[in-house]
Amino acid sequence: GAGVSQSPSNKVTEKGKDVELRCDPISGHTALYWYRQSLGQGLEFLIYFQGNSAPDKSGLPSDRFSAERTGGSVSTLTIQRTQQEDSAVYLCASSASPGAVGNTIYFGEGSWLTVV
Amino acid sequence: GDSVTQMEGPVTLSEEAFLTINCTYTATGYPSLFWYVQYPGEGLQLLLKATKADDKGSNKGFEATYRKETTSFHLEKGSVQVSDSAVYFCALTGAGSYQLTFGKGTKLSVIP
Repeated sequence: GAGVSQSPSNKVTEKGKDVELRCDPISGHTALYWYRQSLGQGLEFLIYFQGNSAPDKSGLPSDRFSAERTGGSVSTLTIQRTQQEDSAVYLCASSASPGAVGNTIYFGEGSWLTVV
Repeated sequence: GDSVTQMEGPVTLSEEAFLTINCTYTATGYPSLFWYVQYPGEGLQLLLKATKADDKGSNKGFEATYRKETTSFHLEKGSVQVSDSAVYFCALTGAGSYQLTFGKGTKLSVIP
């Protein structure tokens, strides 16, 4: 596609429910990232995919968070048993040449999650 | 580890004023340096980047120069417009690294 596409753009869910956030990266980009942006916390790295594998999951805040990527393309971030502190914007990004000098990472519009 | 420090906001300027947002970094080797911008209600967009010492990135009237000796990448614009109101993030990728390390962001408001 022309850019990184995320859905839903907005999600309001009740505490304790599970949510799934979807990301469709730029076509041909092998690297995919999830970041979280919350008030007062800035941008937090969550997970990195190279192809379908996730060599770096170090940013996932708890075992309630998981992510997968299939076909080297679409990724889903799942949050189980949501808590109010999970309210944030979840940003997906992709890039063509991770580790290369000047590699540019392109971001989607984000999924705004509110847990009530 | 790598880190980025940028000036605290918010910054409020009048239209046509000169803008500087300071950014310094800590990283080993030669990182690549970036400025991203986030307009209200939108995602992050790459504004400019630089990959080696003394490189100048520029876009939309914004400029930033990669200063190895001072480990800085300050963002400047000679004459800001109301449409420049946004949050600006300085970021880097370390040499051989795959991920971005961000500063905390600086909110800019430009008033007519």
